[in-house]
Amino acid sequence: AQSVTQLGSHVSVSEGALVLLRCNYSSSVPPYLFWYVQYPNQGLQLLLKYTTGATLVKGINGFEAEFKKSETSFHLTKPSAHMSDAAEYFCAVSPSGFQKLVFGTGTRLLVSP
Amino acid sequence: DGGITQSPKYLFRKEGQNVTLSCEQNLNHDAMYWYRQDPGQGLRLIYYSQIVNDFQKGDIAEGYSVSREKKESFPLTVTSAQKNPTAFYLCASRTPGDVGGYTFGSGTRLTVV
Repeated sequence: AQSVTQLGSHVSVSEGALVLLRCNYSSSVPPYLFWYVQYPNQGLQLLLKYTTGATLVKGINGFEAEFKKSETSFHLTKPSAHMSDAAEYFCAVSPSGFQKLVFGTGTRLLVSP
Repeated sequence: DGGITQSPKYLFRKEGQNVTLSCEQNLNHDAMYWYRQDPGQGLRLIYYSQIVNDFQKGDIAEGYSVSREKKESFPLTVTSAQKNPTAFYLCASRTPGDVGGYTFGSGTRLTVV
């Protein structure tokens, strides 16, 4: 079965600092991997996704993630945090050829001035 | 503009009552999904439907029911058999041919009083 582990339910950074949100996955087949962002009382918005090909994936709002098969990781980074980045972030995995997304428990990003 | 509309945004239910959450999409998506979100638990799949008049149970289907009579609509009924229904419910649909192309609604917050 596929699963996702997000380390740290809360991450705090200062404005302008590096953002690093960690995600490790478990999958018996080559996975499709995703990062979503959720603002309070709203739905989820896709930040970026990895399916095949280049392992460094660039997304919206300056975020990027790198698929590392040897480490079974798909960490999300942003060089410089902005106050508007404060939200909850979810990593998700979908087995190749299947339709369902399996989500991690989420990481709340707090950005201080 | 195309999208997913969930209604109502907030819903209060007395114990022992059934309640139906609405999800409508005008994206011409075949697949639709219902997720439940609880703090610290991420999103868990309740039901999904890949085509009209067909649907499958997800990981936490007990106490819920769905129907898919029209492509555009996928209502979720929370029955009195659901022992802990207070949660945030998210509906999603998928872009045909793109496993990552999930579009989410803005959610319904259900509170049992």
